[in-house]
Amino acid sequence: DAGVTQSPTHLIKTRGQQVTLRCSPKSGHDTVSWYQQALGQGPQFIFQYYEEEERQRGNFPDRFSGHQFPNYSSELNVNALLLGDSALYLCASSFDPGTPFYEQYFGPGTRLTVT
Amino acid sequence: GENVEQHPSTLSVQEGDSAVIKCTYSDSASNYFPWYKQELGKRPQLIIDIRSNVGEKKDQRIAVTLNKTAKHFSLHITETQPEDSAVYFCAAPSWSTGFQKLVFGTGTRLLVSP
Repeated sequence: DAGVTQSPTHLIKTRGQQVTLRCSPKSGHDTVSWYQQALGQGPQFIFQYYEEEERQRGNFPDRFSGHQFPNYSSELNVNALLLGDSALYLCASSFDPGTPFYEQYFGPGTRLTVT
Repeated sequence: GENVEQHPSTLSVQEGDSAVIKCTYSDSASNYFPWYKQELGKRPQLIIDIRSNVGEKKDQRIAVTLNKTAKHFSLHITETQPEDSAVYFCAAPSWSTGFQKLVFGTGTRLLVSP
């Protein structure tokens, strides 16, 4: 049973460029959440995808966008990169049966460095 | 929105001692409280969680307690070992537009010395 996977592992980009990060959820999971984790801080919620739609968003600008595919995998896109976007980007998957409780499992993350 | 405060920010103990990390939350509707362990350069791993209908849950050397009245929950690690050294995060759900997201605490760096 494969866990949550993310690609690429590391990425170096220049200010102003665009980047796409990818996530495959744990088998049986249908919900994907994306987090940004700056060095020394806790994960900050970016947005969540369910049934191919963004259903909740954190306090991040529109430069951050995403997509979920029919197989539940997801992409995070960041446009016009800033130095402050340098962080570990984590994807977490969960199963949403409609109850209020759910467990999220994290992928290994993508380390993005913006120079 | 939800606010989760976590203390202490760093905790140093000797091997075999107990460690306690405390979190408080603001949203009285929160009903699920997970704890994650993150080793250097690795992903956060879910180590234990508790639902709002119980006050305590144990799993070997780790336990979590919940006080809904006071809106706080704690992680207890007994008989600490050097491999327990890591950053620990608590989290609580925040409800918005009918859906919930997890809000994380700022983390506690635990160092267990042999």
